Amino acid sequence: AQKVTQAQTEISVVEKEDVTLDCVYETRDTTYYLFWYKQPPSGELVFLIRRNSFDEQNEISGRYSWNFQKSTSSFNFTITASQVVDSAVYFCALYILTGGGNKLTFGTGTQLKVEL
Amino acid sequence: DGGITQSPKYLFRKEGQNVTLSCEQNLNHDAMYWYRQDPGQGLRLIYYSQIVNDFQKGDIAEGYSVSREKKESFPLTVTSAQKNPTAFYLCASSPTRTGLGNQPQHFGDGTRLSIL
Repeated sequence: AQKVTQAQTEISVVEKEDVTLDCVYETRDTTYYLFWYKQPPSGELVFLIRRNSFDEQNEISGRYSWNFQKSTSSFNFTITASQVVDSAVYFCALYILTGGGNKLTFGTGTQLKVEL
Repeated sequence: DGGITQSPKYLFRKEGQNVTLSCEQNLNHDAMYWYRQDPGQGLRLIYYSQIVNDFQKGDIAEGYSVSREKKESFPLTVTSAQKNPTAFYLCASSPTRTGLGNQPQHFGDGTRLSIL
């Protein structure tokens, strides 16, 4: 069975600080995809990034960066120079190819609060 | 604009009453999903449909029912058998029913259901 753990329930930082959101996943499959979604207070989930299990390159997109390490089954997300608009709940999710249905397994989310 | 529309945004249910949440997409996606979100528990899959006139139970289907008569519509009924229906409900869609996981699910803005 698949599992995603986001151990940090809530994180508070001051604007311009860097912050890392942790994600640890469990699966026996060798082929899988990992996702990060952002949920602002308005409620909708916004897709941020997708990473497949064969691509361990780290990725940077503006102030966002992702560190994928298969050896530790982690897919951590770093926001550099955080801003108030980054305040949201962030979800990590895992997709397994076998079984079909394109089902995502979500972590419980990390509430990020960025204050002035 | 293409997207997913959920209605209503807020819904109140009386004891013993069935209520139906609407989800419409104009993205021409094959697959559609319903998730329930409770505080601190992340998203849990209720039902999903990979193709018209077919759907499968997710992890927490008891007390819910769905239909998929049209590709663009996937309504969710919360029946009186669901004893704890107060939650935030999110509908999602994805392009292909057997997707390789490289196409993320797109989410609606959600419906918040409360018991009167």
